[in-house]
Amino acid sequence: DVKVTQSSRYLVKRTGEKVFLECVQDMDHENMFWYRQDPGLGLRLIYFSYDVKMKEKGDIPEGYSVSREKKERFSLILESASTNQTSMYLCASQDLAKNIQYFGAGTRLSVL
Amino acid sequence: QKEVEQDPGPLSVPEGAIVSLNCTYSNSAFQYFMWYRQYSRKGPELLMYTYSSGNKEDGRFTAQVDKSSKYISLFIRDSQPSDSATYLCAITTGNQGGKLIFGQGTELSVKP
Repeated sequence: DVKVTQSSRYLVKRTGEKVFLECVQDMDHENMFWYRQDPGLGLRLIYFSYDVKMKEKGDIPEGYSVSREKKERFSLILESASTNQTSMYLCASQDLAKNIQYFGAGTRLSVL
Repeated sequence: QKEVEQDPGPLSVPEGAIVSLNCTYSNSAFQYFMWYRQYSRKGPELLMYTYSSGNKEDGRFTAQVDKSSKYISLFIRDSQPSDSATYLCAITTGNQGGKLIFGQGTELSVKP
């Protein structure tokens, strides 16, 4: 079974803090994704990566950056957290042969 | 017009009912169709996967693709309270760099 692990289930941070969300997958997948999920807005793509050190902006990249130094690990960085970044963050890795994305359990981030 | 439309519900049914969940899409080039189930405060998990058209059955679940109508459905037979979750459709052409287009999700509640 594919395993996608997000480092934290719940995080509480203060406005202005730098926040790191970590994601690790165990299936040697090239593609990895970061989404945020908000009520009424569905899943929105923040960034994705199709290889080590490669990244592409998604639909809502503002206020975020990413890092992919190793194939199995994809990090989302909030450079200066703001209250409007309070959300559920979901990481996914992808089986390219079938285009299936496998999700982690999610990180619920609250920025106070 | 959104690429994928999904009624957000909420949908409430009695235990044992047959549930029909649907998505419509606009691009006839879509080839890969998925249904994800997401329990409250958890990440989405893949429920059904279909390539191209036709039906696929797995236990109480049936996924149906009608490419002529650009319409996909998920049927749940003999619904159980444990089926209470949000169901998201996801589609892609396979030529979108791995990106999936997600529906907004339908919230289902199965009452005992």
